[in-house]
Amino acid sequence: KQEVTQIPAALSVPEGENLVLNCSFTDSAIYNLQWFRQDPGKGLTSLLLIQSSQREQTSGRLNASLDKSSGRSTLYIAASQPGDSATYLCAVRQDRGSTLGRLYFGRGTQLTVWP
Amino acid sequence: SAVISQKPSRDICQRGTSLTIQCQVDSQVTMMFWYRQQPGQSLTLIATANQGSEATYESGFVIDKFPISRPNLTFSTLTVSNMSPEDSSIYLCSVSGQGISNYGYTFGSGTRLTVV
Repeated sequence: KQEVTQIPAALSVPEGENLVLNCSFTDSAIYNLQWFRQDPGKGLTSLLLIQSSQREQTSGRLNASLDKSSGRSTLYIAASQPGDSATYLCAVRQDRGSTLGRLYFGRGTQLTVWP
Repeated sequence: SAVISQKPSRDICQRGTSLTIQCQVDSQVTMMFWYRQQPGQSLTLIATANQGSEATYESGFVIDKFPISRPNLTFSTLTVSNMSPEDSSIYLCSVSGQGISNYGYTFGSGTRLTVV
């Protein structure tokens, strides 16, 4: 069964710092990996989607990388801002077997950026 | 990508009652899913909503407790039946497939349920 782990569980930094959030997964047979943001009590907002054949994706101050063979992904946030404060979730989509299509989530990294 | 309207956004319910959550998508999608997020936890898949047939439930979730309907490719409902305080969670609808770029997932804004 796929297991997704995110490190650190929580992170508190001053505004302006560059951040790295880590995600690891146990089964490399993934179709894609997606990073989400969740504000307290809200739904999920998709940040970046990386297909299994890709190495990285960028959107604004966000950059996500994927090393499928080693089962790792990182989300890099440049020049962090208080508005970036949220929980960041990593999810992988399986590409085979009875679990085809389903997402497996990590527990998330709770980020606080203070002014 | 697809836009999901999920209702209600929140509710406070008495134990023993039932609540039906609606998920409406602005385009036809192949796959629809229902997730639960208990306080302080990550998301757990409840079931896959299949159009025109019974939903596929994950281990630990049963149809009597969480009946699901999916009459067409744009709409689904999840009912939380005979509620207890342990059912207090955020419930989220998610879609993937045609209409979602590169087969990523899109989530609704969630329903925050409190059972008293």
